Amino acid sequence: GAGVSQTPSNKVTEKGKYVELRCDPISGHTALYWYRQSLGQGPEFLIYFQGTGAADDSGLPNDRFFAVRPEGSVSTLKIQRTERGDSAVYLCASSLSGGKQTQYFGPGTRLLVL
Amino acid sequence: AQSVTQLDSQVPVFEEAPVELRCNYSSSVSVYLFWYVQYPNQGLQLLLKYLSGSTLVKGINGFEAEFNKSQTSFHLRKPSVHISDTAEYFCAVGQETSGSRLTFGEGTQLTVNP
Repeated sequence: GAGVSQTPSNKVTEKGKYVELRCDPISGHTALYWYRQSLGQGPEFLIYFQGTGAADDSGLPNDRFFAVRPEGSVSTLKIQRTERGDSAVYLCASSLSGGKQTQYFGPGTRLLVL
Repeated sequence: AQSVTQLDSQVPVFEEAPVELRCNYSSSVSVYLFWYVQYPNQGLQLLLKYLSGSTLVKGINGFEAEFNKSQTSFHLRKPSVHISDTAEYFCAVGQETSGSRLTFGEGTQLTVNP
């Protein structure tokens, strides 16, 4: 079956601009996660959705970052006033439910802020 | 708070040699553990996981790992590696008191040489 998909695969933007990154989870998965992976580092947790609501957003670095999942399926990560330090690969994952369920990852969106 | 340390950032080995990738975690509560593999320009793929029960866990592609609670370790092993095992390997820990977030190590680059 189809896995987690993310669009775009690459995004280049200028400092100060607004960007949106999209994630399509595996059908039927109620849990959705966003992680950020900087060069040479492991993924770092950003936010976790259970259904439509953000169950844990403690990993969002500041108020420039926001994510939504209005219908409990597709999610959008939104970054306002981008900074060069936001450059990273943004990974989305989904799982059947939360807790110990295996998280299945998408290929990521590589964001470059010039 | 939980943390993960992958003791080797790079591990070069020859084809058909055994390999061990080391992972130590710190947590004050019960944990569950994962190993993921990341091939170039691809998403993270689950190798194996430990949730509870038997401490020796077998995964895909001939990999296995052993959970050692007293040493807070979850080392990954393979008795004979192939060129195709060349990839980045990530250890991740979750704990029930932290919801569904995973904390990842910084990764170990395994390079298998002919």
